[in-house]
Amino acid sequence: DIQMTQSPASLSASLEEIVTITCQASQNIGNWLAWYQQKPGKSPQLLIYGTTSLADGVPSRFSGSRSGTQYSLKISRLQVEDIGIYYCQQASSTPWTFGGGTKLELK
Amino acid sequence: EVQLVESGGGLVQPGRSLKLSCAASGFTFSNYGMAWVRQAPTKGLEWVATISYDGSSTYYRDSVKGRFTISRDNAKSTLYLQMDSLRSEDTATYYCARLLYVLFDYWGQGVMVTVSS
Repeated sequence: DIQMTQSPASLSASLEEIVTITCQASQNIGNWLAWYQQKPGKSPQLLIYGTTSLADGVPSRFSGSRSGTQYSLKISRLQVEDIGIYYCQQASSTPWTFGGGTKLELK
Repeated sequence: EVQLVESGGGLVQPGRSLKLSCAASGFTFSNYGMAWVRQAPTKGLEWVATISYDGSSTYYRDSVKGRFTISRDNAKSTLYLQMDSLRSEDTATYYCARLLYVLFDYWGQGVMVTVSS
């Protein structure tokens, strides 16, 4: 199985701050990487797919990038509504696997 | 508006069975693959099973293979997960999700399954 190691596990940031979350894949997954946001008490929502493409309705302050097998999610200016848990997911091969999650809180 | 509504969860004893349902609306159900993803209490997300748009292909994670069966009724726009020989480690919130190729683009609100004696 492909392991997705996500970091940090938790993160506290201020409003308007730049936030970066990373995910390391245990092997090459190309651009088969998605990010999901799970707000408190809610189900996950697709945020980014294909490493860099924003899902419908996702604000442009979110962006995704890749360097080799390391993937990053960046929030350019943190807003209150961005609080929650973020998960990466590899869609390269089954079993599709998720990262352990990053809990993003306001400082 | 895409809606996925799960039902059928509850408390069940180890070794017993439970069947989850997911009623879909707001899109042409028969055009999309579907999946179940679970989340154990305070844990991360775990893909469970996938079914193709026409039900001809199914895929499972190893830990549920032979115990869980994913199926669908396109006439009723409903997805199912038959769970047999349940174990304590199956305790989780189970989400129904629509597949956009290999991504989960819409999720239901989830249904809780607790396996305990």
